[in-house]
Amino acid sequence: GAGVSQSPSNKVTEKGKDVELRCDPISGHTALYWYRQSLGQGLEFLIYFQGNSAPDKSGLPSDRFSAERTGGSVSTLTIQRTQQEDSAVYLCASSLVRQGPDSPLHFGNGTRLTVT
Amino acid sequence: TQLLEQSPQFLSIQEGENLTVYCNSSSVFSSLQWYRQEPGEGPVLLVTVVTGGEVKKLKRLTFQFGDARKDSSLHITAAQPGDTGLYLCAGAENSGGYQKVTFGIGTKLQVIP
Repeated sequence: GAGVSQSPSNKVTEKGKDVELRCDPISGHTALYWYRQSLGQGLEFLIYFQGNSAPDKSGLPSDRFSAERTGGSVSTLTIQRTQQEDSAVYLCASSLVRQGPDSPLHFGNGTRLTVT
Repeated sequence: TQLLEQSPQFLSIQEGENLTVYCNSSSVFSSLQWYRQEPGEGPVLLVTVVTGGEVKKLKRLTFQFGDARKDSSLHITAAQPGDTGLYLCAGAENSGGYQKVTFGIGTKLQVIP
């Protein structure tokens, strides 16, 4: 499709298990962002990719969170030893690399993660 | 990281009423974006404002960027049930060679028929 695709759309996991969330950005978009949206918290920045490198990973909340991007396309966000506070909607967005107002973010529909 | 405050956080109005949502920051952004998000979906861009004092209109929606580029407002005229959703403002700043986008907490709007 033409939009950002995220999978799975919903994930329920037990506390302590590892999870992988996948993002397929829009073709040709070299910038890729991960955000987390919790109830009443707004969108929290996690990490930014430019191509396969991550020049800004300042938003990752702990070393249990990691992300990678391969081939300048698909990205995977991994959460190890999940905790209940990790429950949230994880949103991926992509954009053209150039700076400026004509580079809006295009979001996927997110992965709703529930840790029981 | 610059912070964006949105108000009100919740708004429930009758169809046909007007409303204004505010987005404020203590810092300057290179541009400010407004997104609308519906349940189960990702945010979708409505508009980007760049120049201080700029006003943009999108049908019944009017967006304004403050003169100092620190604040913005979204005004909806004659709200319709289809306007129901979460409205997010986002400030863009050029950081380390890329566009860093920081979001406000959002305004959840419910328009009652």
